[in-house]
Amino acid sequence: DAKTTQPPSMDCAEGRAANLPCNHSTISGNEYVYWYRQIHSQGPQYIIHGLKNNETNEMASLIITEDRKSSTLILPHATLRDTAVYYCIARRGGGSQGNLIFGKGTKLSVKP
Amino acid sequence: ETGVTQTPRHLVMGMTNKKSLKCEQHLGHNAMYWYKQSAKKPLELMFVYSLEERVENNSVPSRFSPECPNSSHLFLHLHTLQPEDSALYLCASSQDQRSYEQYFGPGTRLTVT
Repeated sequence: DAKTTQPPSMDCAEGRAANLPCNHSTISGNEYVYWYRQIHSQGPQYIIHGLKNNETNEMASLIITEDRKSSTLILPHATLRDTAVYYCIARRGGGSQGNLIFGKGTKLSVKP
Repeated sequence: ETGVTQTPRHLVMGMTNKKSLKCEQHLGHNAMYWYKQSAKKPLELMFVYSLEERVENNSVPSRFSPECPNSSHLFLHLHTLQPEDSALYLCASSQDQRSYEQYFGPGTRLTVT
């Protein structure tokens, strides 16, 4: 599975868009990009995932570059409650084992 | 509210005690997982159950013993733990064992004294 690289921390002003980058330069063609977040003292929360097309849901948008070597998670209007550690994970879809491998993630701090 | 509940939320136990953590999912999922999150370390997968059968055991010491009596319930039985076992224990579920769209419970904060 491809290794992902994320900045350790980012700040964002409340109400502005938060753009969280992730590099996965060794990703293979059948690996999906998953995003999770973990708010302090809570369990991780699934946000979104994609293969090569951009994806959007009620929580966020996922932009994947055409060469699939990097992606950006966008929270369009960040709130204080979006302060969390965000994890980018690359995993082969339909694998025999559903084990997610979490790295260190990006600690996003949304400030008033 | 993710549809996955865990009890207790906090547990303090001595090294000679026996205790159990409970997880219940209300999502109709077929796969359930136990993860461990130690301070300043990434989440570590411990066990995977699919349709009540254990399909993965990530070299977890025998002092941790999982049990999955049905597809909605998962237990983690603890005995003779060590202080380094203090951590946040998270339960998750997914539609099946191949899905990476997993729903996590709030976790049990375990302290071993």
